[in-house]
Amino acid sequence: DTAVSQTPKYLVTQMGNDKSIKCEQNLGHDTMYWYKQDSKKFLKIMFSYNNKELIINETVPNRFSPKSPDKAHLNLHINSLELGDSAVYFCASNGLVAGGLDTQYFGPGTRLTVL
Amino acid sequence: DAKTTQPPSMDCAEGRAANLPCNHSTISGNEYVYWYRQIHSQGPQYIIHGLKNNETNEMASLIITEDRKSSTLILPHATLRDTAVYYCIVRPVSGYSTLTFGKGTMLLVSP
Repeated sequence: DTAVSQTPKYLVTQMGNDKSIKCEQNLGHDTMYWYKQDSKKFLKIMFSYNNKELIINETVPNRFSPKSPDKAHLNLHINSLELGDSAVYFCASNGLVAGGLDTQYFGPGTRLTVL
Repeated sequence: DAKTTQPPSMDCAEGRAANLPCNHSTISGNEYVYWYRQIHSQGPQYIIHGLKNNETNEMASLIITEDRKSSTLILPHATLRDTAVYYCIVRPVSGYSTLTFGKGTMLLVSP
């Protein structure tokens, strides 16, 4: 079973449209994240949620609105899409590894293309 | 900004050891060194982490210098499937700290 899943895998849309990307994790983790990887391959944090509450918002435009209906889901809604929003969006969740420390497990990514 | 410096690319022959260096000269006492990799068109994958002791797991070994200012990730017998971008990340283990990715090292494993 996939630990962190995202849908859709590919999303092609026109400028100005509103779209959503869904993320689900079946690991029982409390903390989830959204990262953006742009065309230059830089991977940057966008949001972090812990148990359905927003913890981190890294100066992302308010056209981006994460929503967490429960701690296993963190969806990303984007209003009025712009060309610069084209990127790969990764969802991640936080869990424990050896030694009791936490690390992040990533989903497969959603490639968003805005035309 | 990433607090690490890595070579942009490295080559390795299949079956040989791949040694990926990372400089983190400004690392703090409460920060760990994490390694992730990203295979083409996939999400980043956790490899290993350490504080000051050398660490080994089923994927790799991590060697951290005594002054903690640099580290080396070792893939003992690289395979073609190890071709990926490898990220060295310094991360404080507190609260809900996120991962700050740099440019990483593109490792190409060739037959």
